Amino acid sequence: AQSVAQPEDQVNVAEGNPLTVKCTYSVSGNPYLFWYVQYPNRGLQFLLKYITGDNLVKGSYGFEAEFNKSQTSFHLKKPSALVSDSALYFCAVRGAAGNKLTFGGGTRVLVKP
Amino acid sequence: GAGVSQSPSNKVTEKGKDVELRCDPISGHTALYWYRQRLGQGLEFLIYFQGNSAPDKSGLPSDRFSAERTGESVSTLTIQRTQQEDSAVYLCASSFRDREAGELFFGEGSRLTVL
Repeated sequence: AQSVAQPEDQVNVAEGNPLTVKCTYSVSGNPYLFWYVQYPNRGLQFLLKYITGDNLVKGSYGFEAEFNKSQTSFHLKKPSALVSDSALYFCAVRGAAGNKLTFGGGTRVLVKP
Repeated sequence: GAGVSQSPSNKVTEKGKDVELRCDPISGHTALYWYRQRLGQGLEFLIYFQGNSAPDKSGLPSDRFSAERTGESVSTLTIQRTQQEDSAVYLCASSFRDREAGELFFGEGSRLTVL
């Protein structure tokens, strides 16, 4: 069975500082990995994905994520956080041969001015 | 509209009543997913439709839950004899293709409260 772990329920960071949201996964075969963001009272929005190729993936709003196969991780990063980045972030995984997208429990990011 | 549309946005019901939630996917999207999000928790997969293939119902929590989709259009999620633990936000998502792309477009959800 595939699974996603987001070990931190909440991450606090000062505006302008780097932001990292951790994600590890378990899946059979090659993984398809995704990050989504959920702003208050809004639906989920796609940020970025890793399918194949370069391990460093760049996405929307200045976010990037690094795929590390040996550590089965796909941590989300942003070099300089903004207050507007405060939201709930979800990591998700699917096996290359599968259909179901499995989400982690989410990490709440709070960026303080 | 251009996005995934869900209705109702909010539903309050009494325990034991049936509810029906509706999802209008983005036109042309062949794949459609239903997820459940309990307060403060992650997304729980419920069911997946892909074109005319048999749906993946592996996430439905009980036989009180069912879903239908006509072709590549509207889907309805029905919960019979609702229980308080069914209270959650039910999210629908669609995508062009299940494989390779994988990017899901989510609706804003239907918030269900069972009293």
